[in-house]
Amino acid sequence: DADVTQTPRNRITKTGKRIMLECSQTKGHDRMYWYRQDPGLGLRLIYYSFDVKDINKGEISDGYSVSRQAQAKFSLSLESAIPNQTALYFCATSDSRSGNTEAFFGQGTRLTVV
Amino acid sequence: QQQVKQSPQSLIVQKGGISIINCAYENTAFDYFPWYQQFPGKGPALLIAIRPDVSEKKEGRFTISFNKSAKQFSLHIMDSQPGDSATYFCAANTPLVFGKGTRLSVIA
Repeated sequence: DADVTQTPRNRITKTGKRIMLECSQTKGHDRMYWYRQDPGLGLRLIYYSFDVKDINKGEISDGYSVSRQAQAKFSLSLESAIPNQTALYFCATSDSRSGNTEAFFGQGTRLTVV
Repeated sequence: QQQVKQSPQSLIVQKGGISIINCAYENTAFDYFPWYQQFPGKGPALLIAIRPDVSEKKEGRFTISFNKSAKQFSLHIMDSQPGDSATYFCAANTPLVFGKGTRLSVIA
């Protein structure tokens, strides 16, 4: 089983709909991140959480919200989806306590807003 | 303003050749510089990383060269192989700030 699991893997939704992308991890890491990948733009940070009670906006948080339900779970919501939110979304984790700053990514969720 | 600038956008290298990808950063407070490798349909995975207290780090065929005064760092892939064909991202800091990526194709 993957250490960082994203659900769903693919989703098509209509403009104006609310949608939630979920991320769960079995690595025991305290830090979790949501990134968006668009062709030619690299990965851009949407939100991040350094522990269960901590939520921080990233570079492109407008139109998105997050919830850190537990140390292992971090969900991303689009309150009212729009076509320019069509992208590949990645969840990632890292462990602040190990001294290793490596981030581990999930397999991604491909979201299409029509 | 883009905090990490990466070039080139794409690169074609002959098998056995050297692949070189460059990155430049703005923020002198950055203290961690990783390179990530991404294959189609997969999430990025850490390839190699460096801290600014050293100028070079080598792991197998992969080397990071770091120039603190110029605020630049680069990835060198020696003896490039078709299996190295992927997209490479430079990044900095925690949480990670990424460059826009380089699509590397190694042709036989």
